[in-house]
Amino acid sequence: DAGVIQSPRHEVTEMGQEVTLRCKPISGHNSLFWYRQTMMRGLELLIYFNNNVPIDDSGMPEDRFSAKMPNASFSTLKIQPSEPRDSAVYFCASTRVGQPQHFGDGTRLSIL
Amino acid sequence: AQSVTQLGSHVSVSEGALVLLRCNYSSSVPPYLFWYVQYPNQGLQLLLKYTTGATLVKGINGFEAEFKKSETSFHLTKPSAHMSDAAEYFCAVSDQGTGNQFYFGTGTSLTVIP
Repeated sequence: DAGVIQSPRHEVTEMGQEVTLRCKPISGHNSLFWYRQTMMRGLELLIYFNNNVPIDDSGMPEDRFSAKMPNASFSTLKIQPSEPRDSAVYFCASTRVGQPQHFGDGTRLSIL
Repeated sequence: AQSVTQLGSHVSVSEGALVLLRCNYSSSVPPYLFWYVQYPNQGLQLLLKYTTGATLVKGINGFEAEFKKSETSFHLTKPSAHMSDAAEYFCAVSDQGTGNQFYFGTGTSLTVIP
């Protein structure tokens, strides 16, 4: 079975550039989560969707961050403009009722 | 509200020794509980889960955890540590009634000393 697929695996870009991270959840899962992980702050929930609808975006740090889920098989997390402090590993996870969350391999983002 | 507390951000054990990673939770409803493991440069992988039924659950790689409602705990154990167990471990609680949101602990880094 294909797991959660994230792309790109690594992204290096300059400050001020737009960054778009992508996630394909496991087929049949109706909940999708975006997390950020850093050494300083650990694993933080940014936003999650149920049935493609954003339920809680209180973890989104600033208006520079936005997330969309146009359909059940695709989600994006966008940072515009990016800043060095956004450097982190971003994880996407998906699940459905009664199941554990399944994580992707993450996108390692470096903003120079 | 749900929350998870992992006591000890760093734990070191000798190879072959008992591994004990502590997790306490708070939940307003019967919880679903999980342990995840994260190896360097990888995502989180499910080790084991408790939903209902038997309170002692066995997971992969010889790990097990026991749900103790009276203590609101879900500690992770392994009788004999192996070098390959060195990783970050996360405990999580889920309130299945509110859209599958998970609440993660801050993680415990396990070091295995040869």
